Amino acid sequence: LAKTTQPISMDSYEGQEVNITCSHNNIATNDYITWYQQFPSQGPRFIIQGYKTKVTNEVASLFIPADRKSSTLSLPRVSLSDTAVYYCLVGGYNNNDMRFGAGTRLTVKP
Amino acid sequence: DGGITQSPKYLFRKEGQNVTLSCEQNLNHDAMYWYRQDPGQGLRLIYYSQIVNDFQKGDIAEGYSVSREKKESFPLTVTSAQKNPTAFYLCASSRERGSIYEQYFGPGTRLTVT
Repeated sequence: LAKTTQPISMDSYEGQEVNITCSHNNIATNDYITWYQQFPSQGPRFIIQGYKTKVTNEVASLFIPADRKSSTLSLPRVSLSDTAVYYCLVGGYNNNDMRFGAGTRLTVKP
Repeated sequence: DGGITQSPKYLFRKEGQNVTLSCEQNLNHDAMYWYRQDPGQGLRLIYYSQIVNDFQKGDIAEGYSVSREKKESFPLTVTSAQKNPTAFYLCASSRERGSIYEQYFGPGTRLTVT
């Protein structure tokens, strides 16, 4: 089962780019990497998912190196409303590994 | 308007009582999940269900029970056997089981047991 490791917390300022890295050394061949965002007292919501190289959508980019042992969520020009906990989840089809871990608490300051 | 509903938002119970948390989805998803979240912690999987009339224990199933009699509904009962039931409970669903499928979460139920 793929175990993930993320920094516990990060601070940033409005307008900066934020990069959050997740380590997953024992990722399996069929595993995908998925990131979720959670605001206080709400359920997490899906941000982005990828398998390799780079994925970009309207809110974030996901960079995955060739060995896939880590991944980096990139949030461009963060605002105060991006203050949240970000979770990295690694897994694939029909697996039992739904472990979100403690996540990374991002605080964006004015 | 598709989504997941959980009720109630806040629930208070006395120690020794069983309590049932509701979770309903109209997304036509096969898989449903229950998670527990404690302050400052990540999500821990309690139970999941891949299909109607089938469910499996997650990492912390002791003291909890579930049923899946309908595709849309996956209620969670917190029994008196659960040693520390006070927590934030989140229900989720996905098209099929597996973390590759996007999970849609409900708003959560905050349970306080005194």
